[in-house]
Amino acid sequence: GAGVSQTPSNKVTEKGKYVELRCDPISGHTALYWYRQSLGQGPEFLIYFQGTGAADDSGLPNDRFFAVRPEGSVSTLKIQRTERGDSAVYLCASSLAGTDTQYFGPGTRLTVL
Amino acid sequence: GQQLNQSPQSMFIQEGEDVSMNCTSSSIFNTWLWYKQDPGEGPVLLIALYKAGELTSNGRLTAQFGITRKDSFLNISASIPSDVGIYFCAGQLESGTYKYIFGTGTRLKVLA
Repeated sequence: GAGVSQTPSNKVTEKGKYVELRCDPISGHTALYWYRQSLGQGPEFLIYFQGTGAADDSGLPNDRFFAVRPEGSVSTLKIQRTERGDSAVYLCASSLAGTDTQYFGPGTRLTVL
Repeated sequence: GQQLNQSPQSMFIQEGEDVSMNCTSSSIFNTWLWYKQDPGEGPVLLIALYKAGELTSNGRLTAQFGITRKDSFLNISASIPSDVGIYFCAGQLESGTYKYIFGTGTRLKVLA
């Protein structure tokens, strides 16, 4: 079946602009995670959804970052007033509730000029 | 953010050789996971460990949950060219949170 998909695969924007990154999880997966991966580093946890609600958003770096999952499937990560330091690969993962196996998407590479 | 320390950072090995890498932390973890990431892809789970001292295999891969619960080890036997990639460990601080802290990665290159 289809895996986790993320769009766009690449996004280039200018400092100060607003961006939205989309994640389509595997059908039936109630848990969804967003991570940020900087060059040469491991993924860094941002936020975890169980269904429609954000169960843990403690990894969001500041209030410019926000994520939603209104219908419990597709999720959108929103970044306001982007800064050059936001440049990274943003990874989404999904899993069945109660399991450790997170299936990752290919990521969106965000470049802020 | 907090990250786990992995060593070595990178390694070149000959095809057929065995590989060992480890992950250490100052914190105790309840679960250790090992992932492999290929260029342009997301990480793929290789092995999950749930108990101190546990030794688990997946084909040519063997991983161990350290007795102190502050470290984990991954071994790859008889490496092949497709083993090339970045290997990440990830630790779960609190049971049931599904929040994992990832290591800094070990980059493996296999020379045919």
